[in-house]
Amino acid sequence: GDSVTQMEGPVTLSEEAFLTINCTYTATGYPSLFWYVQYPGEGLQLLLKATKADDKGSNKGFEATYRKETTSFHLEKGSVQVSDSAVYFCALREKSSGDKLTFGTGTRLAVRP
Amino acid sequence: EPEVTQTPSHQVTQMGQEVILRCVPISNHLYFYWYRQILGQKVEFLVSFYNNEISEKSEIFDDQFSVERPDGSNFTLKIRSTKLEDSAMYFCATGTSSYEQYFGPGTRLTVT
Repeated sequence: GDSVTQMEGPVTLSEEAFLTINCTYTATGYPSLFWYVQYPGEGLQLLLKATKADDKGSNKGFEATYRKETTSFHLEKGSVQVSDSAVYFCALREKSSGDKLTFGTGTRLAVRP
Repeated sequence: EPEVTQTPSHQVTQMGQEVILRCVPISNHLYFYWYRQILGQKVEFLVSFYNNEISEKSEIFDDQFSVERPDGSNFTLKIRSTKLEDSAMYFCATGTSSYEQYFGPGTRLTVT
C-alpha cells in the first residue's frame, strides 16, 4: 500500500540556518504530495503541495519539488526563523485510493535564536 | 480566515463509555474526514464523509465508530464503547473538494 517515510527528528537548527527535511514515498500510481505543519497547540495546516512530477510547491519561504525518479518530496527553506519551530508532516493522496491522506510520522523542528 | 473547530479540546473518559467528538466545518465545505494520531505514531485516516454518507473508511473504523451530521452543520465522531487503545488525538478535516483538506486543532481523547 501507499506509505510515506520522513527523516527522524527532532531537528535542531540555529536561526538563519538552511533546512532540509527528507520525505520519500511509495505509491502504486501518481499521487499528489503535501507538506503540513503543526504549530504547538494547533491543528495541521497545509504548507504546500505538488500534484505532478517536477512540480515545485512553495509557501512562506518553504519549497519542495516532486521528484518522481527518486520518489521524493524533500522540504527546504533557505533561512529558518524561531517561528518555524513546529512539527512537519509529509503526506500523499492517491486518487485511486480515494480521498484519504497518508501521512509520515512527522519531523519536529526546533529553531534556536 | 475561517477555521475548522473541534470540541472538546480534551476529553477524559472511562473504558466502556461512549464519547462524541464534535467538529464544526468551514461553512461551504462538503467533504468531511476524521483522522487520529496515537501518541508517537503516524496520523491515520479513519473515515471520509460526503453527501450524508460514508465515502470510505479504514480498517480502524469498525462497528464501534460512527459518524453523522445531525443538524447539517456539526460533524460528529462517536465511539460507542471506548477502549484504552482509543486514546489518541482525533483530527477533523473538511474541504470544498476532495482535493484540499483543512484540519481542526484536534481533540485529545484519554481513556482510563
